[in-house]
Amino acid sequence: ELKVEQNPLFLSMQEGKNYTIYCNYSTTSDRLYWYRQDPGKSLESLFVLLSNGAVKQEGRLMASLDTKARLSTLHITAAVHDLSATYFCAVAFPDSNYQLIWGAGTKLIIKP
Amino acid sequence: DGGITQSPKYLFRKEGQNVTLSCEQNLNHDAMYWYRQDPGQGLRLIYYSQIVNDFQKGDIAEGYSVSREKKESFPLTVTSAQKNPTAFYLCASSSSVHNEQFFGPGTRLTVL
Repeated sequence: ELKVEQNPLFLSMQEGKNYTIYCNYSTTSDRLYWYRQDPGKSLESLFVLLSNGAVKQEGRLMASLDTKARLSTLHITAAVHDLSATYFCAVAFPDSNYQLIWGAGTKLIIKP
Repeated sequence: DGGITQSPKYLFRKEGQNVTLSCEQNLNHDAMYWYRQDPGQGLRLIYYSQIVNDFQKGDIAEGYSVSREKKESFPLTVTSAQKNPTAFYLCASSSSVHNEQFFGPGTRLTVL
């Protein structure tokens, strides 16, 4: 079965702290995406990770991919309130004709 | 401005009615997708199309229908056979099935 699991599903943290969201997937893939969704809004693409060891950074967010461990991480550095949102990872599996399989999302609340 | 538009933003349906959700893109993308999102959940694929005049069922196609007569348009019809259609519907497109997907603003459908 093709599965994508995120944890935690809910995270409340203080501004200025660091934290990591994890995305595990069930079988071979070298193509993983991170998206952000604000309440009631659509999805915004954050990162595209296409190979083992890929690391991408944008502001206070950094994403990495370890295809051998079937794991991606989204690291938040010195969180600020504006980063409050739900973050989704999605994986393209060859066995699904590269259609994205989505994690359940991590709802992140950053308190002042 | 290049992008994806969806209409209407909000839609109310009486039980037993068919309704059609519009999705248009001017990104010259070959692939288009329809997803359903229920509150607090991830995305589930309804239908996708890799090329004009061709489309495939996703994980939850029952009660839905699509057409792809033009490259830029991929309308979704929610039929009366869909027993629980109240949800947020998101359309996306990508240059190919192997590439990053970009999302429209979404249509929120409510059954009265």
